[in-house]
Amino acid sequence: NAGVMQNPRHLVRRRGQEARLRCSPMKGHSHVYWYRQLPEEGLKFMVYLQKENIIDESGMPKERFSAEFPKEGPSILRIQQVVRGDSAAYFCASSPVVLGPARGYGYTFGSGTRLTVV
Amino acid sequence: KNEVEQSPQNLTAQEGEFITINCSYSVGISALHWLQQHPGGGIVSLFMLSSGKKKHGRLIATINIQEKHSSLHITASHPRDSAVYICAVRSPAGGTSYGKLTFGQGTILTVHP
Repeated sequence: NAGVMQNPRHLVRRRGQEARLRCSPMKGHSHVYWYRQLPEEGLKFMVYLQKENIIDESGMPKERFSAEFPKEGPSILRIQQVVRGDSAAYFCASSPVVLGPARGYGYTFGSGTRLTVV
Repeated sequence: KNEVEQSPQNLTAQEGEFITINCSYSVGISALHWLQQHPGGGIVSLFMLSSGKKKHGRLIATINIQEKHSSLHITASHPRDSAVYICAVRSPAGGTSYGKLTFGQGTILTVHP
């Protein structure tokens, strides 16, 4: 039972290029969360998705960033026209269907994608 | 003021010492997570708590919901415990953000042999 799979592990992009980060949730998990960890800073929420739906994108920068979780395939975090300030570790996490406060068990993180913008 | 505060920010210990890391939060939560991150590494979930106490090996986590406080204890610490320990609170049920985590700034633990 593979965990949350993120790829690539490391990604180098030149300023102005696009970055695509992929996240395949654990089998049976239908909720995906993206978090960003800037150098020397803590983790910050970016976006929460379910299949074909963005539930909460309150942590996403207003421009250049988008996320999707299609019916088939992994969740994608897309950063257009990257800048040096986008250099960070991007973590994806998944959890199963949430039915109430007692559920939401099994919150699992991926190994992250380290994006470097040169 | 951050919604989740951890203390201390840095902690140095000798092998074998008992270690405590504290976490206080100011918002309503459905659960609290303790996470571990090694330098350049991924994030491992150690505990998820909504009440009481949990134990796994040398690690113990407690939570006091009324006081909005949690502690992570490591007994008989070892150099391999050196890592960043992160407290994170989970948004309460009923809102669209249920499941979203808000993180403390992390505690850097170094255990010397």
